[in-house]
Amino acid sequence: GAGVSQSPSNKVTEKGKDVELRCDPISGHTALYWYRQSLGQGLEFLIYFQGNSAPDKSGLPSDRFSAERTGGSVSTLTIQRTQQEDSAVYLCASSLDEGGAVDTQYFGPGTRLTVL
Amino acid sequence: GENVEQHPSTLSVQEGDSAVIKCTYSDSASNYFPWYKQELGKGPQLIIDIRSNVGEKKDQRIAVTLNKTAKHFSLHITETQPEDSAVYFCAASREGFGNEKLTFGTGTRLTIIP
Repeated sequence: GAGVSQSPSNKVTEKGKDVELRCDPISGHTALYWYRQSLGQGLEFLIYFQGNSAPDKSGLPSDRFSAERTGGSVSTLTIQRTQQEDSAVYLCASSLDEGGAVDTQYFGPGTRLTVL
Repeated sequence: GENVEQHPSTLSVQEGDSAVIKCTYSDSASNYFPWYKQELGKGPQLIIDIRSNVGEKKDQRIAVTLNKTAKHFSLHITETQPEDSAVYFCAASREGFGNEKLTFGTGTRLTIIP
């Protein structure tokens, strides 16, 4: 079946512009996570969605970052007034989150964001 | 919050030999430890995981061990092959709290020398 998809795969923007990154999770997965992978670093958590609500936004680095999820499916991560330090690969993951045992998180291919 | 450290950052191994990657974690409440493999231009892919009620788990050439007392866990790859070359990440999470966000190590770039 289809995995997690993300678009665009690459995005180059100028400093100060806004960008939107999209994530299509695996059908039926209620949990959705955004992570950021900076050059030479591990993945850092940004935000967690359960359905359409985001009970944990603790990883968002500043108020320029926001995310939403609609219909319990597609999620959009928006970065306003982009800065060069926002350059990174943004990864989305989804899981069934049925409760009880931890559910495997399946990752998309990521969006590589470059801010000039 | 949780902190995960991973060593080494790079590892070169002769084809057919074994590779070992080690991680430590700080939060004693963490109880789920997955390992992900990331190939160039792709997202991380789960290769094996272990829960805190188990000390060791094996899947063909891949095994993971967990020492809860010392708060460390390791990935073992035996009979390495060229296709094992990739970046490997360990992670830790707390099961059963709804939000199962993963805290990752900084990764190990494994190179298999033919």
